Amino acid sequence: ETGVTQTPRHLVMGMTNKKSLKCEQHLGHNAMYWYKQSAKKPLELMFVYSLEERVENNSVPSRFSPECPNSSHLFLHLHTLQPEDSALYLCASSQKTGLRDYEQYFGPGTRLTVT
Amino acid sequence: DAKTTQPTSMDCAEGRAANLPCNHSTISGNEYVYWYRQIHSQGPQYIIHGLKNNETNEMASLIITEDRKSSTLILPHATLRDTAVYYCIVPRFSGYSTLTFGKGTMLLVSP
Repeated sequence: ETGVTQTPRHLVMGMTNKKSLKCEQHLGHNAMYWYKQSAKKPLELMFVYSLEERVENNSVPSRFSPECPNSSHLFLHLHTLQPEDSALYLCASSQKTGLRDYEQYFGPGTRLTVT
Repeated sequence: DAKTTQPTSMDCAEGRAANLPCNHSTISGNEYVYWYRQIHSQGPQYIIHGLKNNETNEMASLIITEDRKSSTLILPHATLRDTAVYYCIVPRFSGYSTLTFGKGTMLLVSP
């Protein structure tokens, strides 16, 4: 138990569906992240939110839309996905104090399958 | 992030020490070395980090060479639950805390 929860844990969706992934952190952190991990590939950073402001968007297609309504919650809204978007989506949080930024705590991930 | 080089895989017997090496020859003087691990189908887990002195916590020890060009993560008494991919990361400060995960080392702990 890392203090970061993600729901749902598994999601199957069609290419025309709209769904959302939810992440919640109970650590009092002020930075949150979305990562994508495709099969047999390294983790790829998608988005960074610091103090609820999106500070990095790693050339992610617009069919992925993040939202950070407060420092404890992070969403990833999905629409018109492609089969190649099937992956493990991981949320992480950290306390932005300078050095400890890199001490990130990850949730268990959402296993997404696009059919 | 500074480039790191790790072996693709390692084996370790249960109860023995697991020593995982990492080369980071281009590390700068103020850059830290971070270690994470990822158990199959779970999120990565932070293990430890260090600058130049050796560090120890409840999970592992980190030994950094004097020239800081390499480091070793030590799991003193490996268990089956330590089977995971271990990542050595040297993040470059960019204003925002981005970690770049490479392929890491797959550690297999066997009975």
